[in-house]
Amino acid sequence: AQSVSQHNHHVILSEAASLELGCNYSYGGTVNLFWYVQYPGQHLQLLLKYFSGDPLVKGIKGFEAEFIKSKFSFNLRKPSVQWSDTAEYFCAVNEGGNNRLAFGKGNQVVVIP
Amino acid sequence: NAGVMQNPRHLVRRRGQEARLRCSPMKGHSHVYWYRQLPEEGLKFMVYLQKENIIDESGMPKERFSAEFPKEGPSILRIQQVVRGDSAAYFCASSLTQGTNTDTQYFGPGTRLTVL
Repeated sequence: AQSVSQHNHHVILSEAASLELGCNYSYGGTVNLFWYVQYPGQHLQLLLKYFSGDPLVKGIKGFEAEFIKSKFSFNLRKPSVQWSDTAEYFCAVNEGGNNRLAFGKGNQVVVIP
Repeated sequence: NAGVMQNPRHLVRRRGQEARLRCSPMKGHSHVYWYRQLPEEGLKFMVYLQKENIIDESGMPKERFSAEFPKEGPSILRIQQVVRGDSAAYFCASSLTQGTNTDTQYFGPGTRLTVL
């Protein structure tokens, strides 16, 4: 079964600091990769996704993620965070051929003004 | 532009009662997914439905849980004889009609079930 690992469940940083959240998955075949964000009191929203093509994906709000196939990774980055980036971030993967999303446990990110 | 709607947002049940969770997909979407999030865990896939069909129920517990997506009306996740371990957030997502694995799933706000 597919598994998705996200480390450093709780991340606290100051505004303007850089953010990188790691995501590793276990499936060796074709995968589609996603990062979702859940702001306090809101539902899950799609930040960015990778299906194929350029492994560096740009999403909303200045976020980007890089797919490194050899490392089974899809890390999320933002060069300079804002207080409004305080949220929980989830990495998700689905294997080619099925619609099931497998989620990591999430990263709770708190940005201090 | 209404997104995925779920109700109720919060549901409290006593052990042994039934819980019914509703999900209305985004307009134009005919593919619905249910996920469960236990405390301190990520979302776990439960079931994938199209109108009047269950496509993949590999994540559904074998007993007490059922799901439907009728031709008319919302999708329903039904939990019979709830136990404390059923306490969780239940999320619904929907995707466009193609239903291929490259479709983006859009999530609702979730229903938080508490079993006393």
